[in-house]
Amino acid sequence: AQTVTQSQPEMSVQEAETVTLSCTYDTSESDYYLFWYKQPPSRQMILVIRQEAYKQQNATENRFSVNFQKAAKSFSLKISDSQLGDAAMYFCASPGGSQGNLIFGKGTKLSVKP
Amino acid sequence: NAGVMQNPRHLVRRRGQEARLRCSPMKGHSHVYWYRQLPEEGLKFMVYLQKENIIDESGMPKERFSAEFPKEGPSILRIQQVVRGDSAAYFCASSPLPGDTEAFFGQGTRLTVV
Repeated sequence: AQTVTQSQPEMSVQEAETVTLSCTYDTSESDYYLFWYKQPPSRQMILVIRQEAYKQQNATENRFSVNFQKAAKSFSLKISDSQLGDAAMYFCASPGGSQGNLIFGKGTKLSVKP
Repeated sequence: NAGVMQNPRHLVRRRGQEARLRCSPMKGHSHVYWYRQLPEEGLKFMVYLQKENIIDESGMPKERFSAEFPKEGPSILRIQQVVRGDSAAYFCASSPLPGDTEAFFGQGTRLTVV
């Protein structure tokens, strides 16, 4: 079965510091994308960053970057210079099949301390 | 270009009533995905539809749940004879192509069954 595991239910980081959220996945797809979504209390699912599995270079979006280890099926999210507005639930997602549906992890609740 | 629109944002139903959740995809998107998020959980795929067709309903409960995406109008997720366990947030996502790199999410409908 295709699965996504986020082993950290909660994480905390000091403002301006760096934090890494872990994610491992299992997929039978050969060419795929991986995603990190942010869900603030408003419930909106906001795409933070995506990684193309056939690209060896790790994706970067401003303060957000990933450490993608394809052989290990690991896809962690690094947030640099953490800001109060980064506090939210973070979900990792991988493909659930070839039709575009996604499988989500259970999420990591990130708190940012001023 | 308006994003994915879901309504209502909040819906309260008594046990045994019917719930209808609506999703208008982004302009030009003909692929719609429905997900359910139980409290403290990640999103779980329910059904994938194209215009007038159900493509994959492998995540949909066998009874009481149905979905449609007519040629004209929004996609509808219908839950008949709701029970307390149906209380959750229901999200819709749309994309222009199947298995596209990114699906855009609506803000969700929070269903509460009392």
